[in-house]
Parts: sequence; structure tokens; C-alpha cells
Amino acid sequence: NAGVTQTPKFRVLKTGQSMTLLCAQDMNHEYMYWYRQDPGMGLRLIHYSVGEGTTAKGEVPDGYNVSRLKKQNFLLGLESAAPSQTSVYFCASRNRGYTEAFFGQGTRLTVV
Amino acid sequence: GESVGLHLPTLSVQEGDNSIINCAYSNSASDYFIWYKQESGKGPQFIIDIRSNMDKRQGQRVTVLLNKTVKHLSLQIAATQPGDSAVYFCAEGISGAGSYQLTFGKGTKLSVIP
Repeated sequence: NAGVTQTPKFRVLKTGQSMTLLCAQDMNHEYMYWYRQDPGMGLRLIHYSVGEGTTAKGEVPDGYNVSRLKKQNFLLGLESAAPSQTSVYFCASRNRGYTEAFFGQGTRLTVV
Repeated sequence: GESVGLHLPTLSVQEGDNSIINCAYSNSASDYFIWYKQESGKGPQFIIDIRSNMDKRQGQRVTVLLNKTVKHLSLQIAATQPGDSAVYFCAEGISGAGSYQLTFGKGTKLSVIP
């Protein structure tokens, strides 16, 4: 089983460029999440989705947009990248009624 | 705002000894707690969880203790091995309709000395 797959694994962007991070899960989970991880900050929730076609803001949503057009996919978009968005991004999914969230391997994004 | 925190950012333990990683939480509404392990270059991996109606739960070589009186959570790893070297995060959540978020602490780095 693939679990949670994130693409790409690495990316370097110039300030002002846009990009989309893709998260795909094959476990039929209802809930999906996007986190960013910065040194000394732990994991902070950007956006999440509780089902196909629904999204909601997390702790640090500014500068990001998301879409959940299909249950298995959760896209994270950066409209105009800024150096402050340099981070490692993790996607996670969880089944309704269960506490365990499954994480992808992460996307290391550098904005120069 | 309320958040999950940790007492120690780093912990060095001799191989074979027991490790104890601590976590303080402040959201009294949280009713479940999870410990995650994150190895270098990988995503967090679920270790064990505990509901707020319990004060202890055991897994394979791991035990989580919950003290709701002082809002404290700990992870005990028995006979620590080199493969246990990682960053450990505690996280808290609220179950039930309308509650979907999991709040993570900043992490403790565990280093096992061979």
C-alpha cells in the first residue's frame, strides 16, 4: 500500500512564483490535512478537509489555498511564493472515528 | 492561545536504558493525545494514543502516562535502542462532531548513545 504520497519531494521557487503541492492517499480516508514544519516550531496546520469538496482554515492559512475535488487528493497551492514559506510541508490523512493520522514523506520547499 | 508544549527539547540516553519524554498541554477540552516519532527526512509516524478517560496505556516497549490534574503527558520507552533515535512529538485533539484538528507540540529530540 502506498499510504500517503506527496509530490514533489523537493522544489526551489523564486519569490512571486506559484506552485501546487499534491497529496494523494489510497486509504479512503475522509479527513486530510496540510502542515508546515519549521525548526523549533513543530507542525502547524495550514488547511484541512473533512470531505470531498470541503476545506477549512487551520492555524496558518495565509498565502495558501487548497482544493479537495476528489476524496483521495488534497492540493495545496501557493499563489505568490515568499521566502517566509520556505519550509517542509507534510500532508496527512485520517479516517473518521480514528485518532491515528498517516503522514506523507514531506515536500521540502525553498523560496529564494 | 492554548498549545501543546514540551519540557525538554533534547534527551540523550544510553542504549538499553529507559527513556522518558515529557509533554505539557493546556487545552482542558482535549480528550485524546497522541505520540508521534519522526526520523530524519521522514514524516511523523504514529506510536501510541491515549484517551482522556485513561491514565496509562501500554504498547510494545512504550507506555504513555496521562495526568489530567497537572495536564501532563509522558512517553516511556523501555530498553532504548539506536533505532529509537528520532524527534518525538506529542499532539492533542478533541473528538466529536466539528472537531477535526490535531495540535502538535514542538518536539523532543532523542539521541541514543551506543
